[in-house]
Amino acid sequence: EDQVTQSPEALRLQEGESSSLNCSYTVSGLRGLFWYRQDPGKGPEFLFTLYSAGEEKEKERLKATLTKKESFLHITAPKPEDSATYLCAVRGDYKLSFGAGTTVTVRA
Amino acid sequence: ETGVTQTPRHLVMGMTNKKSLKCEQHLGHNAMYWYKQSAKKPLELMFVYSLEERVENNSVPSRFSPECPNSSHLFLHLHTLQPEDSALYLCASSRSATPEQGSGANVLTFGAGSRLTVL
Repeated sequence: EDQVTQSPEALRLQEGESSSLNCSYTVSGLRGLFWYRQDPGKGPEFLFTLYSAGEEKEKERLKATLTKKESFLHITAPKPEDSATYLCAVRGDYKLSFGAGTTVTVRA
Repeated sequence: ETGVTQTPRHLVMGMTNKKSLKCEQHLGHNAMYWYKQSAKKPLELMFVYSLEERVENNSVPSRFSPECPNSSHLFLHLHTLQPEDSALYLCASSRSATPEQGSGANVLTFGAGSRLTVL
């Protein structure tokens, strides 16, 4: 059965303090790993798709990487506006499975 | 309007009421989805429609009844709900419901959600 586990559940950072979020997965036939950002009271917003081990994608202060077992979302020098819940999802041969998310709070 | 629009944004209903959630997408996508989001839990897929045909029903109780009259509109009809059904209901769309690696066709665009409270 496909599984997606995100850690930590919550992350509190000082502005400028870089950190990483982890998404561990098991899937039958990886068709894509997706990162989404969700702000309170809103739906998830697409950030990145990664398709194969070794692939990396960057957007502003965010960088996503992928191995055969996990993905990391690195936040470099975060700002308060990076505060959100970050969701990881894995598309296998049969379905898309989401993790429970990591809630990031960045204090000024 | 652009993107995926959901109405109402907030809904409070009694256990004996009948209500409906509405979703509309302006992206020309072929697939539409209903997800349930509860606190600290992964998103739960409820229903998938591809070109107006239901392609997936994830063992959802019959008190939830989806309807997809065309590829741009999706409804979720609610009746005799239970308090544990209180959650954020998210609608999403994508170019395709079929797994397609590398094309971005499976990227979901979500609406803002309908916050449902069942008393």
